[in-house]
Amino acid sequence: RKEVEQDPGPFNVPEGATVAFNCTYSNSASQSFFWYRQDCRKEPKLLMSVYSSGNEDGRFTAQLNRASQYISLLIRDSKLSDSATYLCVVTLRGNQFYFGTGTSLTVIP
Amino acid sequence: DTGVSQNPRHKITKRGQNVTFRCDPISEHNRLYWYRQTLGQGPEFLTYFQNEAQLEKSRLLSDRFSAERPKGSFSTLEIQRTEQGDSAMYLCASSLGGELYEQYFGPGTRLTVT
Repeated sequence: RKEVEQDPGPFNVPEGATVAFNCTYSNSASQSFFWYRQDCRKEPKLLMSVYSSGNEDGRFTAQLNRASQYISLLIRDSKLSDSATYLCVVTLRGNQFYFGTGTSLTVIP
Repeated sequence: DTGVSQNPRHKITKRGQNVTFRCDPISEHNRLYWYRQTLGQGPEFLTYFQNEAQLEKSRLLSDRFSAERPKGSFSTLEIQRTEQGDSAMYLCASSLGGELYEQYFGPGTRLTVT
């Protein structure tokens, strides 16, 4: 079983829409959680960390549910520039970083 | 440019040949990670270094793969006797410390084994 599971999408949404991605993880000992963004043919870049209490950064909101072992990312008021692949990341023992397969988002004009 | 750099950016090799990739991390970063990414997949952890010490290796890292970070600065990843299944993007990332610190990725080395 994979450490991290994501719906690969693709998600095609109109500009201004709200879109949510979920990610589940298999190991309850997972310690830290992140969302990374990867543009086509580019390297991944950190979008935001995910804290137990949930956190918001502008139009982006991340939530963690340890009981159900999932994390989520909500994007409000989607922009064309949000088109990318969103990677869910969990860490185990603080040393190994496990990436999901990524969820592809295309924002349509 | 003070980001993570990787060389070469592309490598085409014939099956059975050895290849070596280099990663230069951000200078003050003491952690360095290697990942492999194939099309449609997320990066898969291979190994990481804390300064010059290699502290963890994934079971994905067969004995044909070896990584070094001799002086705690740049790192090399060597693949011996390459196989077609080794074709992938090899990504290097560095960070200031452990899991709470952002990883900064390099542009990757794309390996094609023919």
